[in-house]
Amino acid sequence: QVHLVESGGGVVQPGRSLRLSCSASGFTFSNHGMHWVRQAPGKGLEWVAVIWYDGSNKYYADSVKGRFTISRDNSKNTLYLQMNSLRAEDTAVYYCARDGVDYYGSSLYYFDYWGQGTLVTVSS
Amino acid sequence: QSALTQPASVSGSPGQSITISCTGTSSDVGSYDLVSWYQQHPGKGPKVMISEVSKRPSGVSNRFSGSKSGNTASLTISGLQAEDEADYYCCAYAYSSTFDGYVFGTGTKVTVL
Repeated sequence: QVHLVESGGGVVQPGRSLRLSCSASGFTFSNHGMHWVRQAPGKGLEWVAVIWYDGSNKYYADSVKGRFTISRDNSKNTLYLQMNSLRAEDTAVYYCARDGVDYYGSSLYYFDYWGQGTLVTVSS
Repeated sequence: QSALTQPASVSGSPGQSITISCTGTSSDVGSYDLVSWYQQHPGKGPKVMISEVSKRPSGVSNRFSGSKSGNTASLTISGLQAEDEADYYCCAYAYSSTFDGYVFGTGTKVTVL
């Protein structure tokens, strides 16, 4: 079965960096786009970034553009999120999510599987 | 991109039907039939309930249904059950000259009375 496990969260000071990882199993990782979605404590969901199945295209929310970088290693079935210049407002649980696709591998523009999330706290 | 607008809370008794609205703009909800809905229980990751406005993924109860009219999408839960008590979020693909991504709704807490 599909399994997504995030790691790398923790407490970090404002202005510092952190890299999150998402280990995928149970499906052909290289066939799916992948997303990061975050949720601040007690708040709603916020889409962060997407990377295409082959890494050829990446798109970001305005709130993280220029500071965060999404990447993937299909040989390791792993998704990454490099977070630089962290701010207090980046404090959240970060989820990785798989992009739903059709029979031909085309994106269906929704998130069909999610991990359990990893908590990032930005505080001095 | 601004968050899609959902009611903060909706409640109903067991067996009743409830509907959650999700209002966006012509750049997101109104542009494409690419609205999805997610259920989230406390401390858990979200689970997709509806994709592409009205499609139910495998394993999702047929008590859940989706629709869209103009810039507003809706999720209906019929035959409300205790296990349906959770937070629900809509999400829409959005595209403009300055944005290519996804927008979530503000979230709705469903309470089963």
